[in-house]
Amino acid sequence: GDSVTQMEGPVTLSEEAFLTINCTYTATGYPSLFWYVQYPGEGLQLLLKATKADDKGSNKGFEATYRKETTSFHLEKGSVQVSDSAVYFCALSDPQDSNSGYALNFGKGTSLLVTP
Amino acid sequence: TAGITQAPTSQILAAGRSMTLRCTQDMRHNAMYWYRQDLGLGLRLIHYSNTAGTTGKGEVPDGYSVSRANTDDFPLTLASAVPSQTSVYFCASSPEGSGNTIYFGEGSWLTVV
Repeated sequence: GDSVTQMEGPVTLSEEAFLTINCTYTATGYPSLFWYVQYPGEGLQLLLKATKADDKGSNKGFEATYRKETTSFHLEKGSVQVSDSAVYFCALSDPQDSNSGYALNFGKGTSLLVTP
Repeated sequence: TAGITQAPTSQILAAGRSMTLRCTQDMRHNAMYWYRQDLGLGLRLIHYSNTAGTTGKGEVPDGYSVSRANTDDFPLTLASAVPSQTSVYFCASSPEGSGNTIYFGEGSWLTVV
């Protein structure tokens, strides 16, 4: 079945450092790929998404490119801020999975702590 | 805008008791979902509904039931709670179709003792 694997955390960075959180996936078809962010005590919010190969999603300085050849969707940011401290989830939605309403299949999450 | 409203925000429940977590959305989305979030396990799908009147089982449905009487409401019921159901529960909704964004509620923290 479909699955998402993302790097284990926690990740601790100093402010203004470069961030990469790796995400790879396994899917039978051509899934849509997402990054969600969860701030402490809150629900999940969409950070960015890409629906086809080579698409780049971007938002708030974060970027991720849908790489079909490496089945990856790594999240990057050039200069992190303390306010980026959160848990980041990679997820996929399989267009062949209409029976589950295209539910998201999540990775286990990566906790990011940015220190001043 | 309200989006998705979950209630209660938190609850402590005695083992063996029943409980219903409520979820209401005001976006007229066809699809709705219940996930549970556990440390080290990420989010796992409990039940889903493609449209009013239909429901289906996700990855971890045992011990839970849902109903979808109308578009807006998607309650999750624990018939006889057990400690392993201690978790944070998230309701979510989406316009139907692959690639559409799924929107989440703020979560319901449930502790079964």
